[in-house]
Amino acid sequence: DAKTTQPPSMDCAEGRAANLPCNHSTISGNEYVYWYRQIHSQGPQYIIHGLKNNETNEMASLIITEDRKSSTLILPHATLRDTAVYYCIGAYQGGKLIFGQGTELSVKP
Amino acid sequence: ETGVTQSPTHLIKTRGQQVTLRCSSQSGHNTVSWYQQALGQGPQFIFQYYREEENGRGNFPPRFSGLQFPNYSSELNVNALELDDSALYLCASSLAGQGATQYFGPGTRLLVL
Repeated sequence: DAKTTQPPSMDCAEGRAANLPCNHSTISGNEYVYWYRQIHSQGPQYIIHGLKNNETNEMASLIITEDRKSSTLILPHATLRDTAVYYCIGAYQGGKLIFGQGTELSVKP
Repeated sequence: ETGVTQSPTHLIKTRGQQVTLRCSSQSGHNTVSWYQQALGQGPQFIFQYYREEENGRGNFPPRFSGLQFPNYSSELNVNALELDDSALYLCASSLAGQGATQYFGPGTRLLVL
């Protein structure tokens, strides 16, 4: 399983884009990049995943560099409800999740 | 479509006791994973069940065991409770082959005194 590195905390102004970086230089060719978030006292929530191409869904966009050594999760218009711990995880599509410490995102008014 | 549910929500036990936690999968999901989350830490993978068999295990001792039933619901059993077992226990369901896209329940908070 790939080791990922994320900044421990970030701030973002409400209404602005939140860009959360993740380094995963040891990710293997078949491992996907998954993003989850955990709002305080709740279970983690799946956000998005990708292998090589950029991905977008109703929650976020995922930009993966061409060498696959890093990625960025983009929340286009952050709201106060997006305040959470965001986890970047390298995993095989049928595999288990190994959570790190994640990035604590604070969205401020 | 119902989401993942867990019971109980909170539990207090004493050291040495045994505990059983329960999880109902999201409708249509046939794979269940269990995680332990200590305060201030990310969730740690305990094990995963598919077709009523353990399908991968993390670094947890044998006193952590599980079951999956034909309706895909699951139990986590912990014997000989220790103080360090105090944590939030999370259950997640997924489809086979898409095991890393998991949908989590709200968790059971266990306190061992």
